[in-house]
This record gives sequence, C-alpha cells and structure tokens, in this order.
Amino acid sequence: QKEVEQDPGPLSVPEGAIVSLNCTYSNSAFQYFMWYRQYSRKGPELLMYTYSSGNKEDGRFTAQVDKSSKYISLFIRDSQPSDSATYLCAMSLGGGGKLIFGQGTELSVKP
Amino acid sequence: GAVVSQHPSWVICKSGTSVKIECRSLDFQATTMFWYRQFPKQSLMLMATSNEGSKATYEQGVEKDKFLINHASLTLSTLTVTSAHPEDSSFYICSARAQGNTGELFFGEGSRLTVL
Repeated sequence: QKEVEQDPGPLSVPEGAIVSLNCTYSNSAFQYFMWYRQYSRKGPELLMYTYSSGNKEDGRFTAQVDKSSKYISLFIRDSQPSDSATYLCAMSLGGGGKLIFGQGTELSVKP
Repeated sequence: GAVVSQHPSWVICKSGTSVKIECRSLDFQATTMFWYRQFPKQSLMLMATSNEGSKATYEQGVEKDKFLINHASLTLSTLTVTSAHPEDSSFYICSARAQGNTGELFFGEGSRLTVL
C-alpha cells in the first residue's frame, strides 16, 4: 500500500464547475499537508499549505484536512480553463521533513 | 514567492555520457535542497536530500555513484547523471527550502533528460 493515494484521473469538468480533488494516506503521524499545481513540463507550485486538521481558504481554493479519516481535499470553485493542470497532494511528518507526494490528478476544465 | 532556477530545462545526450543539472535559489539562501525524479503521469520520487557543505543523503534504491550531488554553496546544488543510459531519461526537479524556514519548499522548473 502506498503511503499516499491519489486518483490520477483524468478529470474533465466544464468551466464554472466546482472541482473536488482528494487524497488518502496511511501514516497518522503526518502533520503538514500541501497541494501543488503542476503545469505540463513545469515544476510544481505550492497552492495551499495546512497544518493538522481543519479548513483553509484562499480565493477560489479551499483545502480540508480530516486527520481522523486520513483524508485531505482540495476544492476549486468557479473553475477556469487556466486551472487545467495536474494537482499533487503532499504531506510530511514535520515542518522541515521529507515530502511524500501523491500520484497527482490531471484536471481539464473545458470552456 | 522565492525563485528556484534549474538549468538546462532540457537536454539530449548519447548513452554513456554524463550530464550535469544545476539548481539555483535566486533570491534566498537554501541550506537544504532536494532532487526528485518524475516519470510521465507519475508522482515525484525523492532521490536525495542535499545539505550545503555536507554529503547528500540518498533515498533507498538510488545509486549514489550514478547520481552525484554537490551542494557547494547556499544557492547552488548540482546533480550529475554519470554514464547515462536510456532508462535514466526522465524529468528531474529540484526544490529548495529557505534558510530558517521549516515549511515551504520552492520548486525549480524541472530539467527533461533524454538519453539516446
């Protein structure tokens, strides 16, 4: 079993839709949770960063962490074609610790 | 956000040659840099952790003699793929953690290596 599981997709939605991306993990000791966006042939860029459980909102993006279920989510409201990318979840034990990445979900937002 | 630059962004080489990839933090000092490898539609796999002035720490299964990492200064780490073979063709990405920062990693744009 992988430490972090993420559905690779691809996921295709119409412009304006609400997108839900998810990851599950097996190590209950993970404390830091991140979502990265990666455009084709580019390095990942950090979207959201959450410590422990709870919600965090930034513009159209909301990150949720449910440590009891070992489940994290990223919601994108009013999705745009420019949101089309691969979204990677990542987590670590400590703030400066090694990041464990999910496989990434490929998202396509159609105009 | 902070900028991490990788060079070259792509390289094609013949089998048996060595290729060096540079990773630079442009506007901050990075005590720790990380090297990842990513195959198409796959996740980032950590290869090694590079600390300035000391030997890199390699992940299990990564050949240290094959992938030489040098972190000679607080703004530069290099990955050298020695005697490259077609199976080494991949997307190599570095990331850097700012000095004193315990959280956010900044990623480079990646370097695509194709070995013929």
